[in-house]
Amino acid sequence: GEDVEQSLFLSVREGDSSVINCTYTDSSSTYLYWYKQEPGAGLQLLTYIFSNMDMKQDQRLTVLLNKKDKHLSLRIADTQTGDSAIYFCAERPVNYGQNFVFGPGTRLSVLP
Amino acid sequence: DGGITQSPKYLFRKEGQNVTLSCEQNLNHDAMYWYRQDPGQGLRLIYYSQIVNDFQKGDIAEGYSVSREKKESFPLTVTSAQKNPTAFYLCASSMRYAAITDTQYFGPGTRLTVL
Repeated sequence: GEDVEQSLFLSVREGDSSVINCTYTDSSSTYLYWYKQEPGAGLQLLTYIFSNMDMKQDQRLTVLLNKKDKHLSLRIADTQTGDSAIYFCAERPVNYGQNFVFGPGTRLSVLP
Repeated sequence: DGGITQSPKYLFRKEGQNVTLSCEQNLNHDAMYWYRQDPGQGLRLIYYSQIVNDFQKGDIAEGYSVSREKKESFPLTVTSAQKNPTAFYLCASSMRYAAITDTQYFGPGTRLTVL
């Protein structure tokens, strides 16, 4: 079935770049998403990328998509303590009733 | 101020009791969703509703029930049949179900603890 995988933890120093990786299984997904969850809160949509794109940049965020390897990454430049959160990768397979499939989330810790 | 509200934020329940979690949206969205979040796991879909008076089971519907009598409301009942109900529950909505460019907007969540 559909599956999205992510590393569970990542630690970086303040000011460094963070790279959060994700692999997905369904090549039919039209859009791929990154969500952010702060402690005790709901998910906030950060960005998404259309499957025919290789890269999308939005201020400090850069999304890279390698369709051949089904690999998606989120790069956060100049990481700040406010970026500490759980980041979820999600796909939306066409053959899954248009529902989202979420990864387990990567907990990003930003060290001073 | 448009958004999705969930109440209560924290909920405690004794074993064997049913409990209802509230989800309200004023975004005029057609579709609404309920997810369950457990530590170290991705969100799992419980139920979804494409439009008012309609709903379908997601991946883990057993032990849960929903209703969608009003466009803005999608309450979730956790019944005594749910074997392991302690979790963080998230409600979401989207403008139109299955629209290619549609995205989901999430409420703040309800943490349910069974004592």
